Order: sequence, then C-alpha cells, then structure tokens
Amino acid sequence: DADVTQTPRNRITKTGKRIMLECSQTKGHDRMYWYRQDPGLGLRLIYYSFDVKDINKGEISDGYSVSRQAQAKFSLSLESAIPNQTALYFCATSDQSRQARGTDTQYFGPGTRLTVL
Amino acid sequence: KQEVTQIPAALSVPEGENLVLNCSFTDSAIYNLQWFRQDPGKGLTSLLLIQSSQREQTSGRLNASLDKSSGRSTLYIAASQPGDSATYLCAVTGNQFYFGTGTSLTVIP
Repeated sequence: DADVTQTPRNRITKTGKRIMLECSQTKGHDRMYWYRQDPGLGLRLIYYSFDVKDINKGEISDGYSVSRQAQAKFSLSLESAIPNQTALYFCATSDQSRQARGTDTQYFGPGTRLTVL
Repeated sequence: KQEVTQIPAALSVPEGENLVLNCSFTDSAIYNLQWFRQDPGKGLTSLLLIQSSQREQTSGRLNASLDKSSGRSTLYIAASQPGDSATYLCAVTGNQFYFGTGTSLTVIP
C-alpha cells in the first residue's frame, strides 16, 4: 500500500463549485504539504502544516484553504473553483520530529489532476 | 523571493552516456537541496538530499554536488540507461520550499 494517498486522482468540475482534495499518510510524519504543478512553472507550495495545530501559508495560498484533521490527514479546499486553478495537485509529507533541520526528505503522493471548466 | 532555475529544460542522450543536470538558486540561505525524479502521471521520488553544510551526496550512479555560495547544484548521472528517462527536479528548503521547473531527460536505447 502507498504511504501517501490522495483522493480523488482525477476531478473535473465547474467554475464556482467547492472542491475538496484529501491526503492521507501512513508514514507517521508530522509535516504535511500541498503543492500545485503547472507546465513551465514547476511545483509551488500552497499550504503546509508542521503538526495538527500548525497551519502555514505557502507561496500561493489565495483561493485555497486547508484542514489538518489529524496527524495523518490534510485536506485542501477550493471554496469557489476557477479555471486557473486547473493543475496537478500534490500532497507531501516529511518527518523532522527527531532530526535536525535540513535533513527531512519529502515523500509525495501520486497527485490529483483537477480540471475546472 | 527564492527563484530556482534548471537548465536545460529538456535533454536527449544515447544510452551509456554520462550527463549533468544543472540547478541554480538565487538565495543562498538554504537548509538543504534535494533532487527528485518524476515519472509521467506519478508523484515525485526523492533521489538525493544535500544539507547546506555538505558539498555532495552519492547514490549508485547518481552524484549531486552543492555550491551554496554560488547558488548552484549539479546532478551527475553516470552510464545513463533508458530507465533513467524522467523529469528531474531540484528543490531548495529555506523559510519555505521552492522547486525548479525540471529537466525532462530522454535516454535513447
């Protein structure tokens, strides 16, 4: 079984709809991240969470919100989807609870392809 | 704002050739630099992580170097194989996480 799972894997929706992307991990990691990937722009960080009570905005948080329901679950919401939010979305985790800063490797989920019409 | 650039954007080489992928970043205040591999339709797999105090890391046929002062990293792939065909991304960790746009590598049998 995959350590980091994302649901759904593909989603097509219409402008104005509310969408939730979910991420679950079985790695026991404290840190979780949401990225979006666009052709020619690479991955950009949307939000990240260092533990259940800690939520931080990333580079491009406008139009998105997140919820860390448990250590293992981190959801990304688009309250009112718009076409320029069409992208590939990745969830990632890392564990730095027992290591010095700078040594944490990120582990990625398989991605969710979202299309907003 | 940190900017991460990868050159070239695409590279095609014959099997067996040694190759170098380049990554540059504008802010040297980083904790680490990572190289990832991305296969089509899949997530990213971490290949190597270099801490800011380190100069290089090796894993099998892969060797990554880091020159923090000049804002550069290279990923060296020895004796390339068709299975190495993928997109390679570098990422730096500072106060946030920044990815390059990737180099798409094709190894021709």
